[in-house]
Amino acid sequence: AQKVTQAQTEISVVEKEDVTLDCVYETRDTTYYLFWYKQPPSGELVFLIRRNSFDEQNEISGRYSWNFQKSTSSFNFTITASQVVDSAVYFCALRGFGGAGKSTFGDGTTLTVKP
Amino acid sequence: NAGVTQTPKFQVLKTGQSMTLQCAQDMNHEYMSWYRQDPGMGLRLIHYSVGAGITDQGEVPNGYNVSRSTTEDFPLRLLSAAPSQTSVYFCASSSPRQGGSYEQYFGPGTRLTVT
Repeated sequence: AQKVTQAQTEISVVEKEDVTLDCVYETRDTTYYLFWYKQPPSGELVFLIRRNSFDEQNEISGRYSWNFQKSTSSFNFTITASQVVDSAVYFCALRGFGGAGKSTFGDGTTLTVKP
Repeated sequence: NAGVTQTPKFQVLKTGQSMTLQCAQDMNHEYMSWYRQDPGMGLRLIHYSVGAGITDQGEVPNGYNVSRSTTEDFPLRLLSAAPSQTSVYFCASSSPRQGGSYEQYFGPGTRLTVT
């Protein structure tokens, strides 16, 4: 069985602070895929990034960066110099090899960025 | 492209009523899925499909039926609505990429209340 744990239910920061959202996963698959999605207050789900289990290279996209550590089964997401528009619920998700259309989601972390 | 569309956006049902949530995508994606999102929780998979004529159960299938007669459409039927089915329902579609990693594209959601 697969499992995704986002231990931080809610995080509140002041604008311009850096913030890291944690994601820990469990899977028996040797090949798997990890994702982060953003759900702003409007409710839609926005894809942010995917990572293959065989690619442990970290990635940076503007103020966003992701740290994938297979040894600790973690795929953490850092927002640098947070902005009010970053306020949203962030979901980490896992899909096993061959798991077409089947992703396991964490419960989400609600990030509030105060001005 | 419209992407993934869902209708209706809001629906109120009485216990015991039946209804169909519509989902359509115009990206020619093979895979389609239905998830439900309850307050404070992540998305849980109800049913999914890997192609026209092929469907399978997810984590929480009870009380729901699906069919996939075309690549574009994947309706979700509530057979006899119960208050426990009050939730936000998301439809998603995806298509395999080289290497197997592919993100899901989500519709805007249907907010269902069962009284």
